[in-house]
Amino acid sequence: GAGVSQSPRYKVTKRGQDVALRCDPISGHVSLYWYRQALGQGPEFLTYFNYEAQQDKSGLPNDRFSAERPEGSISTLTIQRTEQRDSAMYRCASSPREGTGELFFGEGSRLTVL
Amino acid sequence: GDSVTQMEGPVTLSEEAFLTINCTYTATGYPSLFWYVQYPGEGLQLLLKATKADDKGSNKGFEATYRKETTSFHLEKGSVQVSDSAVYFCALRGGATNKLIFGTGTLLAVQP
Repeated sequence: GAGVSQSPRYKVTKRGQDVALRCDPISGHVSLYWYRQALGQGPEFLTYFNYEAQQDKSGLPNDRFSAERPEGSISTLTIQRTEQRDSAMYRCASSPREGTGELFFGEGSRLTVL
Repeated sequence: GDSVTQMEGPVTLSEEAFLTINCTYTATGYPSLFWYVQYPGEGLQLLLKATKADDKGSNKGFEATYRKETTSFHLEKGSVQVSDSAVYFCALRGGATNKLIFGTGTLLAVQP
């Protein structure tokens, strides 16, 4: 498709399980961002990549969260040993050029940790 | 650190009414400013942007002017439509970083 694709759209898991969220950006886009959005709040920055290089991971809450983009295209956000407080909408966005602030967002992955 | 503050919603208007959604920011250096819109069930979309002081961003009848003296970037539209009902997010990109920082969002509901 032409837009940013995220999968799964909905994920329900039990506390303590690992989850992997996938993002397929718009073809050719250089930058890829991960955000987390709680209900009624704005998106909260987690991390971003230019090509395959992780440029900023200052928003990752703790070492249970990690992200990769090994070939500069698809990215995976992994949450290990999930906790109930990890429940949120996880949004991926891509941008054709670095540093413009013009992001194209996917529809998000809704994570629920029981 | 850099931050964005926008008015709380919901904002409820009748069709053809004038809209203002306030946004102020705190940032070091010279940030770029953005408004994003999220329609029900969809991802966020860029609505408009301004990259330097006194710039006016505009799109789909919406406007916002980058006011450095008041550190504001208020969103306005002269005549809203039912189809404008959505959540609007103000955001900034600081001069020293490539990450966007978002406000908490303002829900706009336009009634026919």
